[in-house]
Amino acid sequence: DAGVTQSPTHLIKTRGQQVTLRCSPKSGHDTVSWYQQALGQGPQFIFQYYEEEERQRGNFPDRFSGHQFPNYSSELNVNALLLGDSALYLCASSLTGTGAPGELFFGEGSRLTVL
Amino acid sequence: GDSVTQMEGPVTLSEEAFLTINCTYTATGYPSLFWYVQYPGEGLQLLLKATKADDKGSNKGFEATYRKETTSFHLEKGSVQVSDSAVYFCALDSGGYQKVTFGTGTKLQVIP
Repeated sequence: DAGVTQSPTHLIKTRGQQVTLRCSPKSGHDTVSWYQQALGQGPQFIFQYYEEEERQRGNFPDRFSGHQFPNYSSELNVNALLLGDSALYLCASSLTGTGAPGELFFGEGSRLTVL
Repeated sequence: GDSVTQMEGPVTLSEEAFLTINCTYTATGYPSLFWYVQYPGEGLQLLLKATKADDKGSNKGFEATYRKETTSFHLEKGSVQVSDSAVYFCALDSGGYQKVTFGTGTKLQVIP
């Protein structure tokens, strides 16, 4: 049973560029959430996708956008990169409607460095 | 808004010592509470959970009790092992839609 997979694992970009990160959820899961984890900090909620729509959003600017595909996989896009966007980006999958709040399965993350 | 405050690390303990990591929270309604763990080189994983007041979550020898009166969810283990070395995150979900708020994490190092 494949867990949550993310790609790429590491990438380096320069300020002003755009980046796309990808996530495949755990088999059987229908909900994908994205988190940003700065060095030495806890994960911060970016947004969540369910049924191919953005269901919830955290306090992140519109430069952060996403998409969910019919197979439940998801992308996170960040435009006009800033130095402060350097972080570990985590994808978490879950199953809506199970009555199991907060039970997330995480990938190992994509580490983005912005120079 | 929701927030989680946990004790700062790093925490360094000798093997077989008693562990407590403090966690308090602020949330609307009645949140579910969690401890997640991040082992070196691995992804975050759920360690234990409690969904209502006075519930005790437990797993791998770790325990935490949901205390509504003190808005706390302290993590404890009676005898830590070197393999417990990791970063521990206290977290909550107040809306039930898996939008989870995390604390800043506490790094635990257990030495032989």
